Amino acid sequence: SQQGEEDPQALSIQEGENATMNCSYKTSINNLQWYRQNSGRGLVHLILIRSNEREKHSGRLRVTLDTSKKSSSLLITASRAADTASYFCATDRITGGGNKLTFGTGTQLKVEL
Amino acid sequence: NAGVMQNPRHLVRRRGQEARLRCSPMKGHSHVYWYRQLPEEGLKFMVYLQKENIIDESGMPKERFSAEFPKEGPSILRIQQVVRGDSAAYFCASSPAGQGRYEQYFGPGTRLTVT
Repeated sequence: SQQGEEDPQALSIQEGENATMNCSYKTSINNLQWYRQNSGRGLVHLILIRSNEREKHSGRLRVTLDTSKKSSSLLITASRAADTASYFCATDRITGGGNKLTFGTGTQLKVEL
Repeated sequence: NAGVMQNPRHLVRRRGQEARLRCSPMKGHSHVYWYRQLPEEGLKFMVYLQKENIIDESGMPKERFSAEFPKEGPSILRIQQVVRGDSAAYFCASSPAGQGRYEQYFGPGTRLTVT
């Protein structure tokens, strides 16, 4: 598997349900970030979790990080049709003062009315 | 505070032509990253630049691709003699300087189509 691989590849749920997406990675990281991409659009930054953090919340989003298992999960509670998008996790390792991101292949979430 | 700007949003080029993609980072951001996204795939890192310096170009194809971030003006990703395989969405991201500031903010992308 590749660095930053999401699971499942696609997920279809009803509005109001919770959506959980998982991400696994291979190498040590400094931070893990989750992004959303609507079809044909740019990426929107959702949340960043540092390697020394285990859980983070932002509105309806909850992210967990387990560095021992090299995995992260993104939970969207009370989903809405507007949450329909692709969700990517991205990991980084600090190099030379900056950080290049390694993206997974994404989870396509569809929230139906 | 305007976000990351990219232009053009869509670009069509014939095989053999040159493509120039521009990126203006967010105000106050001095780090610029370019990524490429092929259809149905995630983004792949290409190059990381600071003003007048290429810091990491490990994701750039060895030939035909170049990038710059001059002291004044936007960052430019240049693809010479484009081929059909270059068709993709190209995203630019910027982040602020300084330790501990690692969020990257993405532009809307340039969709390149090579005919």
